[in-house]
Amino acid sequence: SQQGEEDPQALSIQEGENATMNCSYKTSINNLQWYRQNSGRGLVHLILIRSNEREKHSGRLRVTLDTSKKSSSLLITASRAADTASYFCATEGSSNTGKLIFGQGTTLQVKP
Amino acid sequence: DGGITQSPKYLFRKEGQNVTLSCEQNLNHDAMYWYRQDPGQGLRLIYYSQIVNDFQKGDIAEGYSVSREKKESFPLTVTSAQKNPTAFYLCASSSRQGHNEQFFGPGTRLTVL
Repeated sequence: SQQGEEDPQALSIQEGENATMNCSYKTSINNLQWYRQNSGRGLVHLILIRSNEREKHSGRLRVTLDTSKKSSSLLITASRAADTASYFCATEGSSNTGKLIFGQGTTLQVKP
Repeated sequence: DGGITQSPKYLFRKEGQNVTLSCEQNLNHDAMYWYRQDPGQGLRLIYYSQIVNDFQKGDIAEGYSVSREKKESFPLTVTSAQKNPTAFYLCASSSRQGHNEQFFGPGTRLTVL
């Protein structure tokens, strides 16, 4: 079952601009995580935000979480060509099994 | 150099054959996972294991089997019962302590000829 839906499906911006991706989910969560995937590769964990947190920063990444709206956003500031990749949100449910449910991803292209 | 490895990188299978995909980790993680990714899609959970000698079905377990005889290893067998096995397969592991972020291997691309 796909819990997360991501928006937009694809995003194309110029280097230096900010990129915002959104994720919505359906059930209560323990935490929400964002991952990055370069084409044909495995996923790399970017950032985790717990259900009792509203905002988190890591370098050029800013993640927000609104549990009342069951949504999250990932902001990448001052984007670089190397940020070109697919970005996935994943939710861990409140049952604490460690299982993640992934969204379908946003494909980001940053043009130099 | 700690990490999670998958082999082979590319795998070709004839219809009717079973194939086994390897996943090994030296991160001392208790939990391991297998996902399937189709083009332009997110990841779907096939099987997961939270401890040695125990595993549970994920959302799309039909046509797949796993074993977890060692903490480091979680091989996935794609059986002939899997009707559409061509996909990118990703293995991941996580510690049961902490935040449960998952560490992924580089993936195996399986093509049925």
